[in-house]
Amino acid sequence: QKEVEQNSGPLSVPEGAIASLNCTYSDRGSQSFFWYRQYSGKSPELIMFIYSNGDKEDGRFTAQLNKASQYVSLLIRDSQPSDSATYLCAVNRGSARQLTFGSGTQLTVLP
Amino acid sequence: SAVISQKPSRDICQRGTSLTIQCQVDSQVTMMFWYRQQPGQSLTLIATANQGSEATYESGFVIDKFPISRPNLTFSTLTVSNMSPEDSSIYLCSVGQGGTHNEQFFGPGTRLTVL
Repeated sequence: QKEVEQNSGPLSVPEGAIASLNCTYSDRGSQSFFWYRQYSGKSPELIMFIYSNGDKEDGRFTAQLNKASQYVSLLIRDSQPSDSATYLCAVNRGSARQLTFGSGTQLTVLP
Repeated sequence: SAVISQKPSRDICQRGTSLTIQCQVDSQVTMMFWYRQQPGQSLTLIATANQGSEATYESGFVIDKFPISRPNLTFSTLTVSNMSPEDSSIYLCSVGQGGTHNEQFFGPGTRLTVL
């Protein structure tokens, strides 16, 4: 079992819709969970992170964490074509809080 | 957040040679890391760059192949040694301030092609 798993997609949604991105992790000791956005040819950009069960909202983005189910999700409301990118889920571990990344989900928002 | 720069931004190298990649941060940071992103793949951690001591390498990565230096809290280098075409990747440094969450921010990356 991979440490961090994501649906590779691609995921396509129409403009204005809600995009839902999902991630599961295997290490129950993981404490913090991160969502990065990566545009083609660019480096990953941190969107938000979550560490408590429940929802965390930041603008159009909502991260959801369920530690019992070892599940993290990212919802993007009112999706825009500029949201088209690969979204990477990451989990920190170890004494240096290193990140382990999922394989990423490619999102396309159709105008 | 800190401004992170990497040099070079890209390079094309011959098999058997070595390349040193620099990562510079505009403020002191606790943690620095080096990642590799192979074509079409996600990010894989190579090592944690420790200030004033040897880097901590992940499974599958060794110091002889990827020597790392971190002389101070704002600078680190990664060398890719004795390169082969399989080393063609994007190499990224990231920085974090430590602590429980240690949010990491990435540099722009170095795109390496080995012929």
